[in-house]
Amino acid sequence: NAGVTQTPKFRVLKTGQSMTLLCAQDMNHEYMYWYRQDPGMGLRLIHYSVGEGTTAKGEVPDGYNVSRLKKQNFLLGLESAAPSQTSVYFCASSYSSSLGELFFGEGSRLTVL
Amino acid sequence: DAKTTQPPSMDCAEGRAANLPCNHSTISGNEYVYWYRQIHSQGPQYIIHGLKNNETNEMASLIITEDRKSSTLILPHATLRDTAVYYCIVRVAVEIGGKLIFGQGTELSVKP
Repeated sequence: NAGVTQTPKFRVLKTGQSMTLLCAQDMNHEYMYWYRQDPGMGLRLIHYSVGEGTTAKGEVPDGYNVSRLKKQNFLLGLESAAPSQTSVYFCASSYSSSLGELFFGEGSRLTVL
Repeated sequence: DAKTTQPPSMDCAEGRAANLPCNHSTISGNEYVYWYRQIHSQGPQYIIHGLKNNETNEMASLIITEDRKSSTLILPHATLRDTAVYYCIVRVAVEIGGKLIFGQGTELSVKP
């Protein structure tokens, strides 16, 4: 049972390049989330999904897109990376929105030069 | 969601109880208190949550004041492995999206 798996774990991009972070969970969870973590800022919600085929904006959605084509996968895309998107990205999932604890992946460290 | 206030850092001696406070004076009646922690460079880990009654599990105890405006997370016998950033979050139980907004947390250092 792998839980929540993120790929890649590390990536360096040049400004303007695009990339996709993949999050996969094997717990049959309905809800999935993407957070970013920056020094002194805690974790901030980027986008989330309440089920297959649905997505919604979180606290800091600008510059990111997401897709949830399959229940187990939640993709985070950067179409044109900017240095301000240098961060550690965490994916999480939960069984339901009500009272559900979040299960987090190990994080993906992205550097944009 | 109500905002929370936590001290930025705390120290605790190994083997002693660690008591982490959280103020949430604007909490609404349908908002729960959640605690997560994050050990350096790892993903956050769920610890415990509660509405108004005190809660206990294998990791910690959660004490919520009667007026629900503050709470305390208690690690009964802190170990070096409990050194982490602890986040207190309040949120509505049934909320579309179920998002949790993390603040800056308390950095707990457990010392030998």
